[in-house]
Amino acid sequence: NAGVMQNPRHLVRRRGQEARLRCSPMKGHSHVYWYRQLPEEGLKFMVYLQKENIIDESGMPKERFSAEFPKEGPSILRIQQVVRGDSAAYFCASSPPWNTEAFFGQGTRLTVV
Amino acid sequence: SQKIEQNSEALNIQEGKTATLTCNYTNYSPAYLQWYRQDPGRGPVFLLLIRENEKEKRKERLKVTFDTTLKQSLFHITASQPADSATYLCALAASGYSTLTFGKGTMLLVSP
Repeated sequence: NAGVMQNPRHLVRRRGQEARLRCSPMKGHSHVYWYRQLPEEGLKFMVYLQKENIIDESGMPKERFSAEFPKEGPSILRIQQVVRGDSAAYFCASSPPWNTEAFFGQGTRLTVV
Repeated sequence: SQKIEQNSEALNIQEGKTATLTCNYTNYSPAYLQWYRQDPGRGPVFLLLIRENEKEKRKERLKVTFDTTLKQSLFHITASQPADSATYLCALAASGYSTLTFGKGTMLLVSP
């Protein structure tokens, strides 16, 4: 049973470009969460999704950031017009419907140059 | 505002000793508390979950306590090994269907 898969592992974007981060949850998991981690900082919640629904996006900036979890395919975190401050590690986690423990992917390290 | 505090200073201990890490929280009434381990460049890995009505939970060399009056959880690793060196994260959830709020973590260094 493969774990949570994130790709790419590393992503370099120039300022103003778009970044697309993908996350395939563990088999049987219907809940997906995205977190951002800055150096020396803790994991900050961004968005919580179920299939075709955004449940909680209170941690996600209103501008330039969007997330989806379509019926088929991975969850996507999209950052438009990236700025240097978007450079961080972005982690995806999934959990089963009863939501006890979260299983994390290895993260995507975004560097904006 | 809600706050989760973990000791920002690294904890250095000798192999074989018991490591004790602390997680304090304020302005929060969590339904449960979790501990994760994170190695450099990797995603967090779940270790233990303890619910608000539980005082203590054990798993092999790990033990977690949860004091809702003190608003504190203690995480113990007995007979520590160099392989236990990592950053340990405390996370709280308000309910079984809410998202996790993480502390910044404490780095543990176990020397041979």
